[in-house]
Amino acid sequence: EDKVVQSPLSLVVHEGDTVTLNCSYEVTNFRSLLWYKQEKKAPTFLFMLTSSGIEKKSGRLSSILDKKELFSILNITATQTGDSAVYLCAVEFDYGGSQGNLIFGKGTKLSVKP
Amino acid sequence: NAGVTQTPKFQVLKTGQSMTLQCAQDMNHEYMSWYRQDPGMGLRLIHYSVGAGITDQGEVPNGYNVSRSTTEDFPLRLLSAAPSQTSVYFCASSRFGGYETQYFGPGTRLLVL
Repeated sequence: EDKVVQSPLSLVVHEGDTVTLNCSYEVTNFRSLLWYKQEKKAPTFLFMLTSSGIEKKSGRLSSILDKKELFSILNITATQTGDSAVYLCAVEFDYGGSQGNLIFGKGTKLSVKP
Repeated sequence: NAGVTQTPKFQVLKTGQSMTLQCAQDMNHEYMSWYRQDPGMGLRLIHYSVGAGITDQGEVPNGYNVSRSTTEDFPLRLLSAAPSQTSVYFCASSRFGGYETQYFGPGTRLLVL
């Protein structure tokens, strides 16, 4: 059965800390792995990863994929209270169509204290 | 450019009632999908569409119908609401073949009594 597992499920840190969020997966016909940030409403796109070992960066956030060990990490450096959110990991798998479907993990709830 | 819009924002139904959740996008995206999000469960795919006139089932399709008569609109119909369908529903759209372009609507919170 295809699955995506995120850890930890919740995390509390103080401003300025660095955090690492984990996402492991077991899917057949892997296409890509995506990270989203979800505050009070809709998820917003952060990164899409398709190749192992290539880090993607956006400001204080970065992410990398290991297709051999089937996991990805999302790093946030110098955390701010505005980083408080649920971070979702999703894996795109090929079901035979031109665009794959997504399986989501349960998310990691990050709380950043001032 | 409004992106992805959903109506209503919140709805209360009685068991057995039917209703339609509306979703529209103005980005000319081919791919549209519906997800439900339950506490501690992440998002689960209900139905999706790769273009007007084409729909298919996702992970949890039972109790829901969809149609795609235009590129812009992708309504989700609950045929006979059940308490198990209490959830937050998100509609999303993206360009064909590219989840990096996926945008989510603001969500519809549904409570079935």
